[in-house]
Amino acid sequence: RKEVEQDPGPFNVPEGATVAFNCTYSNSASQSFFWYRQDCRKEPKLLMSVYSSGNEDGRFTAQLNRASQYISLLIRDSKLSDSATYLCVVIPNSGGYQKVTFGTGTKLQVIP
Amino acid sequence: NAGVTQTPKFRVLKTGQSMTLLCAQDMNHEYMYWYRQDPGMGLRLIHYSVGEGTTAKGEVPDGYNVSRLKKQNFLLGLESAAPSQTSVYFCATLKGANTGELFFGEGSRLTVL
Repeated sequence: RKEVEQDPGPFNVPEGATVAFNCTYSNSASQSFFWYRQDCRKEPKLLMSVYSSGNEDGRFTAQLNRASQYISLLIRDSKLSDSATYLCVVIPNSGGYQKVTFGTGTKLQVIP
Repeated sequence: NAGVTQTPKFRVLKTGQSMTLLCAQDMNHEYMYWYRQDPGMGLRLIHYSVGEGTTAKGEVPDGYNVSRLKKQNFLLGLESAAPSQTSVYFCATLKGANTGELFFGEGSRLTVL
């Protein structure tokens, strides 16, 4: 089983829709979680961190479920500019050596 | 403040040739990473470094070597390039343990014929 798994999509949604992505991880000792956004042929950029209590940033909500070992990203009122690939990132609590692992990414296409 | 700079940005190699990708950062970050990204595969970790003089293998290290002689530079070497190494390579830095945000270079597109 891969350390971090995501549904690759693509998710094709109309403007204004709400869409959610999940990301599962296998290492129960994982410490920190993040969502990154990657536009076509560009480098990934941090979208938001994921906190145990859940957190929100405008139209984006991130949640962590440690018991089931997954994180989620919810996007409300989708915009055309949200079209991108969304990557989840897991950082283990491994005693100082940081092996940062990415999911394969979920592609979102917002349609007019 | 350049952040993370990768050179070269594009390169075409013939099978068997060698080359080195340079990642330079001016943020004084401890951790540096080399990833490759292929269609449908996401970002896969090749090697990483947690400080000057130290390196470690990632998920797909075969065919690559790395060095971190200076804190600001992380070099990725291909000793004998193979077509399977055609990919986009990203370098990234992390300030320290559990800080979270990775800073990426713009990527290096390598084609091996």
